[in-house]
Amino acid sequence: ETGVTQTPRHLVMGMTNKKSLKCEQHLGHNAMYWYKQSAKKPLELMFVYSLEERVENNSVPSRFSPECPNSSHLFLHLHTLQPEDSALYLCASSQVNGGAGETQYFGPGTRLLVL
Amino acid sequence: QKEVEQNSGPLSVPEGAIASLNCTYSDRGSQSFFWYRQYSGKSPELIMSIYSNGDKEDGRFTAQLNKASQYVSLLIRDSQPSDSATYLCAADGSARQLTFGSGTQLTVLP
Repeated sequence: ETGVTQTPRHLVMGMTNKKSLKCEQHLGHNAMYWYKQSAKKPLELMFVYSLEERVENNSVPSRFSPECPNSSHLFLHLHTLQPEDSALYLCASSQVNGGAGETQYFGPGTRLLVL
Repeated sequence: QKEVEQNSGPLSVPEGAIASLNCTYSDRGSQSFFWYRQYSGKSPELIMSIYSNGDKEDGRFTAQLNKASQYVSLLIRDSQPSDSATYLCAADGSARQLTFGSGTQLTVLP
């Protein structure tokens, strides 16, 4: 439960606001991820930071901007969001070792509501 | 597009019964498969991982993998009401990405 922490847990913002989501992992992992989870839809991978390399889902709008200052911290900067961006945003981390079976561990999520 | 398909349910079983959850995947290159449990309003937590064809047992949970059929399943024996949750199947792909199914909602009736 405390291996991956996220703040804030809940966020309500207007479409003109700028906010940031924070994630911190205490597991010594070297990869971190942002996912979006909307009702009745599969988890959608937004961004991956692995071994200082960033991989992104090309379908993610530019109003979402990730930042990974080090292997333990990950941010998601939000600006001019739309109501359809309301969802649960999940952070995860894993230990990349070049083989199979790299389990991802999730944080508790940030429930975002865009008005 | 790589996909992981699950029956959305809801699946209802009586307490003490075996719950069977199924998943198919489209990427033949996937090597690692995961089952996560997600309670309402909570984040996913890992239940089982499986990498080789056959069965893998952990307590009341058994994961089954058939790579030829591109099929993964999770059996929950002696189901308890506390097992009521949404179960997510995931398969690995390129660039450390996991592709998730949309989940199967399981309800265990007392």
